[in-house]
Amino acid sequence: GQNIDQPTEMTATEGAIVQINCTYQTSGFNGLFWYQQHAGEAPTFLSYNVLDGLEEKGRFSSFLSRSKGYSYLLLKELQMKDSASYLCAVRVPGNTPLVFGKGTRLSVIA
Amino acid sequence: DARVTQTPRDKVTEMGQEVTMRCQPILGHNTVFWYRQTMMQGLELLAYFRNRAPLDDSGMPKDRFSAEMPDATLATLKIQPSEPRDSAVYFCASGLGQAGAETQYFGPGTRLLVL
Repeated sequence: GQNIDQPTEMTATEGAIVQINCTYQTSGFNGLFWYQQHAGEAPTFLSYNVLDGLEEKGRFSSFLSRSKGYSYLLLKELQMKDSASYLCAVRVPGNTPLVFGKGTRLSVIA
Repeated sequence: DARVTQTPRDKVTEMGQEVTMRCQPILGHNTVFWYRQTMMQGLELLAYFRNRAPLDDSGMPKDRFSAEMPDATLATLKIQPSEPRDSAVYFCASGLGQAGAETQYFGPGTRLLVL
């Protein structure tokens, strides 16, 4: 089976840095996605990692360690608008679509 | 700008009624996904299509759910008869490429409430 684990909720302060972790146990691995979902809205694509290491995109960075089955999403200089759910999703081999985690609900407070 | 559209945005119905949800994928995308999202289960894949052919609908309760793509610009998800436990947000997403190899672009969702 496929299993993706993320913390259910996190709270962080405006201007701070927060790291959202994701661990996965899947039958193979072909890449990992992070999506952002604001309340009442659709998920939107944030990042994609297929090789080990850190991918930086503005205030957001995503890290992957394939040997550890581990990824994190790093959000810097937090803003109130970053309050959202963050979904980790893994692509597995074969003709199958993404396997999504249940998401981490991040609350940014003043 | 190109985006996935879904109708209706909200639907309230009574148990036993038929519900039809529609999705227009981004023009040129060849894969379409239907997801259901609830607080308890998160995002669950119901069915997906590539080049209009159904590839996997194992996530769908077959006795009441059906998904079709009558043409490349329209995907439908039907529930008949609907039950209160079907209350959820239903998302359609589209992508380009081999199923699983593409970034998925999500529509705004249909919020379904079955009373």
